Amino acid sequence: DAGVTQSPTHLIKTRGQHVTLRCSPISGHKSVSWYQQVLGQGPQFIFQYYEKEERGRGNFPDRFSARQFPNYSSELNVNALLLGDSALYLCASSTGTFAYEQYFGPGTRLTVT
Amino acid sequence: GQSLEQPSEVTAVEGAIVQINCTYQTSGFYGLSWYQQHDGGAPTFLSYNALDGLEETGRFSSFLSRSDSYGYLLLQELQMKDSASYFCAWGEGYQKVTFGTGTKLQVIP
Repeated sequence: DAGVTQSPTHLIKTRGQHVTLRCSPISGHKSVSWYQQVLGQGPQFIFQYYEKEERGRGNFPDRFSARQFPNYSSELNVNALLLGDSALYLCASSTGTFAYEQYFGPGTRLTVT
Repeated sequence: GQSLEQPSEVTAVEGAIVQINCTYQTSGFYGLSWYQQHDGGAPTFLSYNALDGLEETGRFSSFLSRSDSYGYLLLQELQMKDSASYFCAWGEGYQKVTFGTGTKLQVIP
């Protein structure tokens, strides 16, 4: 069975640009969560979506937005990129709203110059 | 606010047993999870404790004490491949998951 997939793998953007990251959950998983991980730190929660509705939001500015599609795939959008947005962006899927057991994708490495 | 504190680094010998601690200050606690992350890789789910006590999964065990706001991950028969970062995590309100500060485990021959 395919695991969580994310695209692109790597991305280089310039300050002020916007970016869209994509995630496909494990088949049968209805919940997708997004995390930002800076080198040397733990993942920081950004959003959780379940059944196409936002169920949780972390302490990130409004420049960050996301959505979930009918097939449960998801997009994370970041506008007006800052240098500090450079990080590994992880997507995780789980079966339900209680995300104590999550399965992570390989992540998208975003570099903002 | 919520926080989960872990030792930053731990070194242990191959074949030995190591314990990685996690202390937390949270509200609305719903249980403690543990994840492993190798350098350059994604976190991998290891175990979850909803209730006090010990959960065993092969060489890995996890313990939770709600009264002490404390948990730990126990790794037995350490192997070189266990060298990785380990994170405790908890779910707030079933949706928001907070990860701990992480412990980098180095296994030496």
